[in-house]
Amino acid sequence: DGGITQSPKYLFRKEGQNVTLSCEQNLNHDAMYWYRQDPGQGLRLIYYSQIVNDFQKGDIAEGYSVSREKKESFPLTVTSAQKNPTAFYLCASSITFSSNQPQHFGDGTRLSIL
Amino acid sequence: GQQVMQIPQYQHVQEGEDFTTYCNSSTTLSNIQWYKQRPGGHPVFLIQLVKSGEVKKQKRLTFQFGEAKKNSSLHITATQTTDVGTYFCAGDQAGTALIFGKGTTLSVSS
Repeated sequence: DGGITQSPKYLFRKEGQNVTLSCEQNLNHDAMYWYRQDPGQGLRLIYYSQIVNDFQKGDIAEGYSVSREKKESFPLTVTSAQKNPTAFYLCASSITFSSNQPQHFGDGTRLSIL
Repeated sequence: GQQVMQIPQYQHVQEGEDFTTYCNSSTTLSNIQWYKQRPGGHPVFLIQLVKSGEVKKQKRLTFQFGEAKKNSSLHITATQTTDVGTYFCAGDQAGTALIFGKGTTLSVSS
């Protein structure tokens, strides 16, 4: 069954700690995205990747880093530089980066600060 | 920069009433997409509108794209409790990443 798998579902971070959120897709999609969702704020783009070995900053990239070494994987690291990391993180993918492609979302990871 | 504004932020209706959410862009969009996120869930793609003045229907849901391709609406006729959730519009100019509106959260009481 094709789809996007995000793990873990819940994650707790200590002060000064980096944490990595996993996103894997078996849809053979070229483009992948990371969004942050806060109550009342909609979806804000953190990073996106149009193709393997390529990625670009979105609107709120500060304090985050990504890699795209494999087509199916797009992990997001929340670094200690991100001072307000508590949020719901959503990974998405689309066939290509073209604007007329719908995005498919994973179930999300909820990150909290201890 | 480009913005996609969505109103209202919240809407409560009685079951059977109609519901409409509006989406407005500061710039002309190449297309607009609509997503629904159920409580505790993730956004799910509903539909895409591409042409100026386009109207599409999905059962009780009617989607419109404005003539100037700067605004869009989603209308639900005779809401049901299964319609509960947050509805997002998302648009872009050609070649850029999608920009999501902040969403309209719909609650329905029976």
